Amino acid sequence: GDSVTQMEGPVTLSEEAFLTINCTYTATGYPSLFWYVQYPGEGLQLLLKATKADDKGSNKGFEATYRKETTSFHLEKGSVQVSDSAVYFCARIDSGGSNYKLTFGKGTLLTVNP
Amino acid sequence: GAGVSQTPSNKVTEKGKYVELRCDPISGHTALYWYRQSLGQGPEFLIYFQGTGAADDSGLPNDRFFAVRPEGSVSTLKIQRTERGDSAVYLCASSPGPGGTQHFGDGTRLSIL
Repeated sequence: GDSVTQMEGPVTLSEEAFLTINCTYTATGYPSLFWYVQYPGEGLQLLLKATKADDKGSNKGFEATYRKETTSFHLEKGSVQVSDSAVYFCARIDSGGSNYKLTFGKGTLLTVNP
Repeated sequence: GAGVSQTPSNKVTEKGKYVELRCDPISGHTALYWYRQSLGQGPEFLIYFQGTGAADDSGLPNDRFFAVRPEGSVSTLKIQRTERGDSAVYLCASSPGPGGTQHFGDGTRLSIL
């Protein structure tokens, strides 16, 4: 079925390091793609999204580009902070009749050390 | 309230008991969703309401699970004859309409002993 695969963690970085969290999706239909973040003790929050090929989503210094040719939506940040420590989830919503059902990856735990 | 509210935040009960989990969506949001997140996994879709009706309940794992939204606002997820495998975090989300950005609550952590 339609799915999302993201790199397994945990990922541990030092402050100001470059971050990449890989995410790929199965190439069926024309999904919208999302990154959600879950900070410790908090609920899931939408971080960024992209709805079509070549769109770039960005927020809080994070970016991800919808790449149809590689079926990828990798999350990047040039300089991470301790406050970015959280679990990050890649997700998709398919177009058409099920355009409400989020399908999530397993999540990647990021820890940023000072 | 300003966000999606879920109660209780934690629920511990014995195998075989009945539980109800409540979700209070953002005011005015017509679409409401339930997801289940097991340890080490991403959330998995359970059921979607548009207004009062369950538009898609294909994610409910079996007939022990049931959800209602009688007035198109608050929703209750009901689990009968709970099993240890039902232990998970149950997440509720709402959006202004179908396909809109889903806003999540903090979840209810359910533990079945």
